[in-house]
Amino acid sequence: EDKVVQSPLSLVVHEGDTVTLNCSYEVTNFRSLLWYKQEKKAPTFLFMLTSSGIEKKSGRLSSILDKKELFSILNITATQTGDSAVYLCAVEGGDSNYQLIWGAGTKLIIKP
Amino acid sequence: NAGVMQNPRHLVRRRGQEARLRCSPMKGHSHVYWYRQLPEEGLKFMVYLQKENIIDESGMPKERFSAEFPKEGPSILRIQQVVRGDSAAYFCASSKLNTEAFFGQGTRLTVV
Repeated sequence: EDKVVQSPLSLVVHEGDTVTLNCSYEVTNFRSLLWYKQEKKAPTFLFMLTSSGIEKKSGRLSSILDKKELFSILNITATQTGDSAVYLCAVEGGDSNYQLIWGAGTKLIIKP
Repeated sequence: NAGVMQNPRHLVRRRGQEARLRCSPMKGHSHVYWYRQLPEEGLKFMVYLQKENIIDESGMPKERFSAEFPKEGPSILRIQQVVRGDSAAYFCASSKLNTEAFFGQGTRLTVV
């Protein structure tokens, strides 16, 4: 059965800390891995990763994919209270024509 | 406790036909969100509904698209007179009030 597992489920840190969020997967016919930041109602797309070892970076956020070990990490440096959100990982793949298998999310809380 | 259920998983329609996508929220969830994901793009918010009410439809195209969440039964996203550009994956998410949303696995709509 295809699955995506995120860890930790929740994380509380102080402003300025660096955090690393994990996403491991077992998905047939892997095509890509996506990270989203979910605030209120609309998830914000962060990264799409398709190739191993190539870091994608956007400001204080970065992410990398390891297709051999079947995981991805999302790093956030110098965290701010505005980074508080649920971070979702999803993998495109599976046994049908198109499928997104979602992780449960990591709830990140940044304390001032 | 079943998760968010979407059906069908894959729907093929000819141009000009109608597409109906169904979303059964998780038990106890009264808020439903619909998103569309175009190839190689992130999720795009379409509409946010509570039971029998449309709260925010700012992401919904003004024509041919409609959504409902009746008192009984699943939420329905309806697309009339489909065109090729409607081909996409449509995701539904549900939540309780002010809590994180859980996503279904999506419906892949292909317009031929």
